[in-house]
Amino acid sequence: AQRVTQPEKLLSVFKGAPVELKCNYSYSGSPELFWYVQYSRQRLQLLLRHISRESIKGFTADLNKGETSFHLKKPFAQEEDSAMYYCALSGHNYGQNFVFGPGTRLSVLP
Amino acid sequence: DAMVIQNPRYQVTQFGKPVTLSCSQTLNHNVMYWYQQKSSQAPKLLFHYYDKDFNNEADTPDNFQSRRPNTSFCFLDIRSPGLGDAAMYLCATSYTSSYNEQFFGPGTRLTVL
Repeated sequence: AQRVTQPEKLLSVFKGAPVELKCNYSYSGSPELFWYVQYSRQRLQLLLRHISRESIKGFTADLNKGETSFHLKKPFAQEEDSAMYYCALSGHNYGQNFVFGPGTRLSVLP
Repeated sequence: DAMVIQNPRYQVTQFGKPVTLSCSQTLNHNVMYWYQQKSSQAPKLLFHYYDKDFNNEADTPDNFQSRRPNTSFCFLDIRSPGLGDAAMYLCATSYTSSYNEQFFGPGTRLTVL
């Protein structure tokens, strides 16, 4: 069964510090991995997906198939990055489940 | 703006009284999803429609049903709400599959008295 884990429920960093939000997954096959973000009082939205290989708002994430990880990184955190971050996984075949990780709340302190 | 709309934003029902939540979209996406999100937990997929093809998650209780009368609208019916069904219910859409970006509505917060 597919599963996504995010070991940290809460991560606090100071403004300007590097941040890494951890995500590990289990899936038999080649999944599509995502990071979704929910800012305060806003709807859940896509931050980035691994197939795009792009940087959004300074965030990057690299899929490491050997370690089955998809950690989210940003070299210099900003206060506006404070939000709830969910790692998520989807199979490539129609009908395969989509599953969110439990989420990590990032708090960037001034 | 193209978007996903959920009505109502807040719904209060009584224990055992059927309730319907609605979702509409102007994105013309063929896939629509319903998620349940309890306090401090991740959204949990209940079911999704690929066009008119209904796909139920294995652990979704029978108490939860869904209807999709056309591309734009999708409904979540809770036949006999229990206290444990109090949650935020999120609707989302995507083009073709969940491995494309999902666009979420603002959610409906359900309270069961």
